[in-house]
Amino acid sequence: TQLLEQSPQFLSIQEGENLTVYCNSSSVFSSLQWYRQEPGEGPVLLVTVVTGGEVKKLKRLTFQFGDARKDSSLHITAAQPGDTGLYLCAGVYGSNYQLIWGAGTKLIIKP
Amino acid sequence: NAGVMQNPRHLVRRRGQEARLRCSPMKGHSHVYWYRQLPEEGLKFMVYLQKENIIDESGMPKERFSAEFPKEGPSILRIQQVVRGDSAAYFCASSPKITGGNTEAFFGQGTRLTVV
Repeated sequence: TQLLEQSPQFLSIQEGENLTVYCNSSSVFSSLQWYRQEPGEGPVLLVTVVTGGEVKKLKRLTFQFGDARKDSSLHITAAQPGDTGLYLCAGVYGSNYQLIWGAGTKLIIKP
Repeated sequence: NAGVMQNPRHLVRRRGQEARLRCSPMKGHSHVYWYRQLPEEGLKFMVYLQKENIIDESGMPKERFSAEFPKEGPSILRIQQVVRGDSAAYFCASSPKITGGNTEAFFGQGTRLTVV
């Protein structure tokens, strides 16, 4: 079983602070995605990273794919209450291009 | 282009009844994934299907649960003789035919199953 470990599992911080969520594995992934899920809804894709070392920015969110394509991070600058939600990473693995999922990071930003 | 459609959105079943959850993937998508999510938890993988084939069902309980994705029609997740522990949100995701490593999954809004 290929594991994708996500940390922290839960994070509660004040508005304006910075934070980083990590997604780590011993397996190499073809690509890795980050999703965000709001209560009562399905996850929505935020970004896909494909190349080792790749960095993508989405407003205050910065996504990085590790050089060896085994890990990724999501950094949020000056967090806002609207960033509250469950953040999930998913790696594409194997000849079947199966998606392997992390358990999620529940993020709460307090005003 | 409609997104992934799941129905029903909410389903209430009594213990011992059968639950049928439907998922129509996005147009052109031939891969379907089913996930279960308990309140305040992440997604738990259940099964991965391509048209008419089960690719990976390692996350699905061996008894009472089954899934199919026929050549025509939606994917069905069937839970027989439901128990209270089956109460959860069940999400379906679809992705297009794989031609490389850049797989992206699109999720439905889920079916919330309540067993009473």
